[in-house]
Amino acid sequence: DTAVSQTPKYLVTQMGNDKSIKCEQNLGHDTMYWYKQDSKKFLKIMFSYNNKELIINETVPNRFSPKSPDKAHLNLHINSLELGDSAVYFCASSLSLGMTEAFFGQGTRLTVV
Amino acid sequence: DAKTTQPTSMDCAEGRAANLPCNHSTISGNEYVYWYRQIHSQGPQYIIHGLKNNETNEMASLIITEDRKSSTLILPHATLRDTAVYYCIVRVERYGNKLVFGAGTILRVKS
Repeated sequence: DTAVSQTPKYLVTQMGNDKSIKCEQNLGHDTMYWYKQDSKKFLKIMFSYNNKELIINETVPNRFSPKSPDKAHLNLHINSLELGDSAVYFCASSLSLGMTEAFFGQGTRLTVV
Repeated sequence: DAKTTQPTSMDCAEGRAANLPCNHSTISGNEYVYWYRQIHSQGPQYIIHGLKNNETNEMASLIITEDRKSSTLILPHATLRDTAVYYCIVRVERYGNKLVFGAGTILRVKS
């Protein structure tokens, strides 16, 4: 059983399109995150939700909108995709916000052409 | 959260111990040292964490100096599958505090 699963694993799309990445965790964790890893391999947090409530919202364009229908899911919707959005997006979860151990998904490689 | 400094890359022979250093000279008393790693094309993986005392688990050992200004992650018998980027992170365990990843150390385990 995959603890944190993301879909799709790869996503190639044209500039201007709207796309979503889905994330689900079966660990019973309260907190979920989205991280972005760019071409230089730096991992940066984008958002975190705790029990469906937005807790961390880093300086991210408002074209990015996270949605948490329940605490096991945190989806990332991106409007009007730009070339610079190309990156690997990782979903993660932890037992609670501030907890040590975060579990990461396998990532979604987004390529905008 | 305190800043960390790690070597850009290191090599280690398969079967030998891999010792990955991390400097965190500005660490404060309530900041923990965490280690994560990222194997190529995978998500980061938690390894170990500690505050003051040395810690050991099934994956690794963490040695923290008495003044807490530096630490070393030890993989006792490195295998090829341990080739990855290793991140040393220092942070306070409090509600709302996020994990901030630096550049890490690329560890190459060679046969």
